[in-house]
Amino acid sequence: AQRVTQPEKLLSVFKGAPVELKCNYSYSGSPELFWYVQYSRQRLQLLLRHISRESIKGFTADLNKGETSFHLKKPFAQEEDSAMYYCALREHNFNKFYFGSGTKLNVKP
Amino acid sequence: GAGVSQSPRYKVAKRGQDVALRCDPISGHVSLFWYQQALGQGPEFLTYFQNEAQLDKSGLPSDRFFAERPEGSVSTLKIQRTQQEDSAVYLCASSLSSGAVGELFFGEGSRLTVL
Repeated sequence: AQRVTQPEKLLSVFKGAPVELKCNYSYSGSPELFWYVQYSRQRLQLLLRHISRESIKGFTADLNKGETSFHLKKPFAQEEDSAMYYCALREHNFNKFYFGSGTKLNVKP
Repeated sequence: GAGVSQSPRYKVAKRGQDVALRCDPISGHVSLFWYQQALGQGPEFLTYFQNEAQLDKSGLPSDRFFAERPEGSVSTLKIQRTQQEDSAVYLCASSLSSGAVGELFFGEGSRLTVL
């Protein structure tokens, strides 16, 4: 069963525009949600996790249990934000991570 | 090095050949994961080790896939009698945590192409 859905394969925005990368999940328990990012020619790395409630590089994500969503947002996109973004879920009490299929963010000058 | 190291970075195999992919995790990291990433897809879980114990191998797609971590550090993913559908990037990740894993540290991956 698909646990994590990222409906957009590609998202193109202009520099300075707001950006929202969508993530929906399917899990009946208490998941832990993450966003991972892969910049060009770099390895996959953690961007943020919902439990930390931090803003990283201007990005925030709020876990909405009612809508089972964990959308990633940034008010003003920068060219250096261009990358592949993956939403991931870890089941409570298990160490198996489920990744979405990814959204490629392209920030145009 | 400071990061997770994987080798080989690229491997071309003829159908039916056996391959071995190596992962050297960050020193001291207890947890180690293998993921398979097909083109245009996100990483798919294969297996998970805590030290030398393989705690979850539910993601291994067939009995042709075998992973080990005999001394609790370096891990090897072996694929026997490779098939074309095995073509993918194989990612290794490690984590310091032995309980609920937070951050995964990924290697650059081993790209396997089966002809």
